[in-house]
Amino acid sequence: DAGVTQSPTHLIKTRGQHVTLRCSPISGHKSVSWYQQVLGQGPQFIFQYYEKEERGRGNFPDRFSARQFPNYSSELNVNALLLGDSALYLCASSLGQFYSTEAFFGQGTRLTVV
Amino acid sequence: GQNIDQPTEMTATEGAIVQINCTYQTSGFNGLFWYQQHAGEAPTFLSYNVLDGLEEKGRFSSFLSRSKGYSYLLLKELQMKDSASYLCVITQAAGNKLTFGGGTRVLVKP
Repeated sequence: DAGVTQSPTHLIKTRGQHVTLRCSPISGHKSVSWYQQVLGQGPQFIFQYYEKEERGRGNFPDRFSARQFPNYSSELNVNALLLGDSALYLCASSLGQFYSTEAFFGQGTRLTVV
Repeated sequence: GQNIDQPTEMTATEGAIVQINCTYQTSGFNGLFWYQQHAGEAPTFLSYNVLDGLEEKGRFSSFLSRSKGYSYLLLKELQMKDSASYLCVITQAAGNKLTFGGGTRVLVKP
């Protein structure tokens, strides 16, 4: 069975550019959440989508947006990239909206902004 | 808001035992996860505690005291492959996000 898949695995962008990161959850999972992990720190919650609707948003600027498609895959978009956006972006997949069981993480997309 | 504290780094010897403590302050606490994360990799699930007490899974055990806002992860018979970061993660009653501590980097030495 395929786990959570994210693409691309690595990405280098220039300040001011736009980036789109993609995530496919485990088959049957309807919830996708996005996390940002800066080197040496724990992941920080960005968004949760469940049944194609935004169900939670963390403390991130409006430059960050996301959406979930009918097949439950998701995209995270970041506009006007800053150097501080350099991080590992993790996608988490879970069965339901609420974490009563474990969340499964993808391998992440390592974004470097130069 | 939420506050999760865990030590930044711990070092132990192969075959030994290490206990990673986590204290938290939050409203509407629901449950606590422990995740393992090797450098450059995704976090992987280790344990989930909702009720007070000890959950044992092979070499790993996790304890929770809801009244004290305290948990620990116990790693026994340490192996070199256990060198990783261990993340204490809480969920709240609203439950739709995971709140991570900063992680404890465990270094296992021969």
